[in-house]
Amino acid sequence: EVQLLESGGDLVQSGGSLRLSCAASGFTFGSYSMTWVRQAPGKGLEWVSTIGPSGGSTFYTDSVKGRFTISRDNSKNTVYLQMNSLRAEDTAVHYCARGYRQPDYWGQGTLVSVSS
Amino acid sequence: QSALTQPPSASGSPGQSVTISCTGTSSDVGGYDYVSWYQQHPGKAPKLMIYDVNKRPSGVPDRFSGSKSGNTASLTVSGLQAEDEADYYCSSYAGSNNLVFGGGTKLTVL
Repeated sequence: EVQLLESGGDLVQSGGSLRLSCAASGFTFGSYSMTWVRQAPGKGLEWVSTIGPSGGSTFYTDSVKGRFTISRDNSKNTVYLQMNSLRAEDTAVHYCARGYRQPDYWGQGTLVSVSS
Repeated sequence: QSALTQPPSASGSPGQSVTISCTGTSSDVGGYDYVSWYQQHPGKAPKLMIYDVNKRPSGVPDRFSGSKSGNTASLTVSGLQAEDEADYYCSSYAGSNNLVFGGGTKLTVL
């Protein structure tokens, strides 16, 4: 059974940093791209970032380029999202999902709240 | 990259069919067959219901179907059931390593 478990969400002040983690199990982690998608309170889904299976390719939405860094450790079956220079508009539930163009399995999400 | 356009709400009675539209451009929906639909119940994670425009993952009832014409994709739910009440989001690959979502449609089963 595919499982994705996010952690690391917290309340942080504007300008602060957080690192989200997503532990995966139930599939061959190193064979899949992994994606972060966020959802602001009461709002829709927004793609944030994707990393290729080996970690050699990374992609970001424009609003987080230069502030967020996606990475992965295939020995630990874990993908990370380092979030720096956080802004109020980054407040959202952040989901980890398997895949790239059409993510198929999603975790339950972790809440990032940025206070101004 | 702009979000895809979905109606904010849709509704139908049990047993009826309802169709939700998702309009993009030739750079996303119209340009690729990587169109997906997700179901999200309150407080839960999104669940993939349709991928590659019209394919269903294992375990998704065949009451759910997808299609595309030009820059508009559609999700049809036939034989509506109470448990189908949820938010539905479309998504499309948008080229240049971008993924775009629709604003979501709240489906109400009357």
